[in-house]
Amino acid sequence: QKEVEQNSGPLSVPEGAIASLNCTYSDRGSQSFLWYRQYSGKSPELIMSIYSNGDKEDGRFTAQLNKASQYVSLLIRDSQPSDSATYLCAVLGNKLVFGAGTILRVKS
Amino acid sequence: NAGVTQTPKFRILKIGQSMTLQCAQDMNHNYMYWYRQDPGMGLKLIYYSVGAGITDKGEVPNGYNVSRSTTEDFPLRLELAAPSQTSVYFCASSFRLGELTGANVLTFGAGSRLTVL
Repeated sequence: QKEVEQNSGPLSVPEGAIASLNCTYSDRGSQSFLWYRQYSGKSPELIMSIYSNGDKEDGRFTAQLNKASQYVSLLIRDSQPSDSATYLCAVLGNKLVFGAGTILRVKS
Repeated sequence: NAGVTQTPKFRILKIGQSMTLQCAQDMNHNYMYWYRQDPGMGLKLIYYSVGAGITDKGEVPNGYNVSRSTTEDFPLRLELAAPSQTSVYFCASSFRLGELTGANVLTFGAGSRLTVL
């Protein structure tokens, strides 16, 4: 079992729709959960971080964490073509582990 | 404030050649990391350092060496380059790993694309 698993996609959504990105992890001792956005040929940039069960909202982005299910998700409301990128889930336990990423395509 | 600076941005090596990827940060971060990213894959940790003079292996250290003589610099050395080392390499830094909060996150360099032929 991979430590951090993401569906590779691509996930295609129409402009203005909600994009839902999911991530599961294996280390129950994980403390912090991070979402990075990576445009093609660029370095990852942090979008959201979440540490407690529940939802955390920041603008059009909402991170959701369920530690019992070892599941973290990222919702992007009112998706824009500029949101098209690869989204990396990263989980911090005793080390920081990245998932392989989900490709998101927002069609105008 | 430059953040994390990596050089070179692109490099083509022949099998068996050696080279050093340079990484420098000006944020006075204690922790520095080297990751590699293969196409369609996540970031794999090669080596990391918790401070000057201290380095440790990550997930995929074979074929690489590092040193940390100063807080600012963390070069990655490739000895006897192999095609399997064709990848994009990212250097990153943070204040500390144990508590990544909104104010204490990984700052990535722009990446170095290495091709070994």
